[in-house]
Amino acid sequence: DSGVTQTPKHLITATGQRVTLRCSPRSGDLSVYWYQQSLDQGLQFLIQYYNGEERAKGNILERFSAQQFPDLHSELNLSSLELGDSALYFCASSVGQGVSYEQYFGPGTRLTVT
Amino acid sequence: GQQLNQSPQSMFIQEGEDVSMNCTSSSIFNTWLWYKQEPGEGPVLLIALYKAGELTSNGRLTAQFGITRKDSFLNISASIPSDVGIYFCAGQPILAFQGAQKLVFGQGTRLTINP
Repeated sequence: DSGVTQTPKHLITATGQRVTLRCSPRSGDLSVYWYQQSLDQGLQFLIQYYNGEERAKGNILERFSAQQFPDLHSELNLSSLELGDSALYFCASSVGQGVSYEQYFGPGTRLTVT
Repeated sequence: GQQLNQSPQSMFIQEGEDVSMNCTSSSIFNTWLWYKQEPGEGPVLLIALYKAGELTSNGRLTAQFGITRKDSFLNISASIPSDVGIYFCAGQPILAFQGAQKLVFGQGTRLTINP
């Protein structure tokens, strides 16, 4: 158990809909990261938040947005969903400063768009 | 953007054999991480490397940070059935600005073990 929690575990929705994925980082971690992993693909970095502020952005679609709240949990919002958005979405957390770049991953949310 | 080339893409070995895999990049990285992912689960951090030339072990796993800072290697000795999974390398680019931590992941090495 990494200490990172994600809900829900599974999500099935229709095209055009909007969903929200939730992540709680490890105790003491200030940074949260979101990744997308499509079938048999590697991990694609979407976005990083550090202590409530956006710090780095990857290949995140404009239909996707995220935020980190004062209690440090984060939400990833996916809107106008398309079939191709079906994937595993992982959240990771790290201390977020200094020289430690170790990221610890949650169990993921499997999104299926039908 | 930066990319990591991880090889081999897949390995089929007998139980008890040693395993070697590697990652290379055209860019310099200041950190290398190795993760293992099992089906339906999140990646689990195995080893973190922070200095060029560093050699670190975690049980039967040994990883090295290449001298050129552009590559890393992971070895697994005396493989057992629970080693099955996908192994990912990840690197932190050296030019990331303050506060930004943007790991770049390899495509993974899928390890299959025949008992």
